[in-house]
Amino acid sequence: QSVLTQPPSASGTPGQRVTISCSGRSSNIGSKVVNWYQQVSGAAPKLLIYSNNQRPSGVPDRFSGSKSGTSASLAISGLQSEDEADYYCAAWDVSLNGWVFGGGTKLTVL
Amino acid sequence: EVQLVESGGGLVKPGGSLRLSCAASGFTFSTYAMHWVRQAPGRGLEWVSSTTASSSYRFYADSVKGRFTISRDNARNSLYLQINSLRDEDTAVYYCARDSGDFGGALGDYWGQGTLVTVSS
Repeated sequence: QSVLTQPPSASGTPGQRVTISCSGRSSNIGSKVVNWYQQVSGAAPKLLIYSNNQRPSGVPDRFSGSKSGTSASLAISGLQSEDEADYYCAAWDVSLNGWVFGGGTKLTVL
Repeated sequence: EVQLVESGGGLVKPGGSLRLSCAASGFTFSTYAMHWVRQAPGRGLEWVSSTTASSSYRFYADSVKGRFTISRDNARNSLYLQINSLRDEDTAVYYCARDSGDFGGALGDYWGQGTLVTVSS
């Protein structure tokens, strides 16, 4: 059971906009920034969004993040086939004194 | 170019030990916090341990506390994870990941390719 809660799956067709939610507590998302990672099958994870809504250099602006209270969301607009991957949220937890991850959301592009 | 290369994984019996290494290059290693994250087969990401740039602070997941030890050698640009008293549930790919700063940044702006640890009798 992961500390952060994500839906196990999501799907969309090319060109669509999809969102993935991440729910936490006051000790993590409620008080700390959220990061998002993309993991394509068989590869290492890649940082997609940091500090709730910032994109590292090279990440397309189709990817955006937001946070409100103890929840966060990742939005992908103009869905492309190469976006098919697992997506994870993460945040520092001040009670656990460690990083916590969501269980991951498998995104399928139909 | 930032590179992180893990090594040291392998097949080990329950109760055994391993030392994982992560060789860093392409950046000033001594100024960045570093992390270990693992992924069991078919499962999600699990944070294991972190160390600040100067090793002043080290943090561990409850699941590994007392069994795993993170360390670094800034002169050798290397990160280590000593894993003892291995259990079946420690079977996973272990990733080395850089923080975007000295612990206050984002976990994992760069990741290694991972090293597989398999615990089995």
